[in-house]
Amino acid sequence: DAKTTQPTSMDCAEGRAANLPCNHSTISGNEYVYWYRQIHSQGPQYIIHGLKNNETNEMASLIITEDRKSSTLILPHATLRDTAVYYCIVRSLYSGGGADGLTFGKGTHLIIQP
Amino acid sequence: DTAVSQTPKYLVTQMGNDKSIKCEQNLGHDTMYWYKQDSKKFLKIMFSYNNKELIINETVPNRFSPKSPDKAHLNLHINSLELGDSAVYFCASRTSGTNEQFFGPGTRLTVL
Repeated sequence: DAKTTQPTSMDCAEGRAANLPCNHSTISGNEYVYWYRQIHSQGPQYIIHGLKNNETNEMASLIITEDRKSSTLILPHATLRDTAVYYCIVRSLYSGGGADGLTFGKGTHLIIQP
Repeated sequence: DTAVSQTPKYLVTQMGNDKSIKCEQNLGHDTMYWYKQDSKKFLKIMFSYNNKELIINETVPNRFSPKSPDKAHLNLHINSLELGDSAVYFCASRTSGTNEQFFGPGTRLTVL
């Protein structure tokens, strides 16, 4: 899996958009960008993923640069409950089963300020 | 309607004991995992299990053994517990063709 680089921590005001960057300059053509988050004392939670086009779901938007070497996760209206560690993970899409698990880095600790 | 459940939530035990953690998923997924999160919060894969094929992270001691009675369950057995086994253990599952994994709430294991 390609290596990712994320800031250690970020602050964001409640109600504002939180923009979390991720660098993945060694990403290969068949690798997707995945985002997970882990709220304190809970299991990790899937947020969104994408290959090269921008993606949006009910939780967030994912913007991937044209060269695919970096991406940004956007939480449009951050709330206090969005305080968590956010993980950017790059890996290929499985076509079958029986493969290894996700590789989590240190992630970004996002703190939403009231 | 819990998707991935684990029992117990907390487990405190003495060194040298043998213990098990249970995991169940009701999502119909065909692949299940165990992860370990240590005191420094690093989350690492231990095992993945699919269609009776087990993939083991080479760093996991053989005191740890997953057992799957059926597709919905993957239990973790740990023999001869050591102080360093203290951590939070997460079970997860996914279906083929996706990397969207669903995680359980975790089991905090404390070895005294």
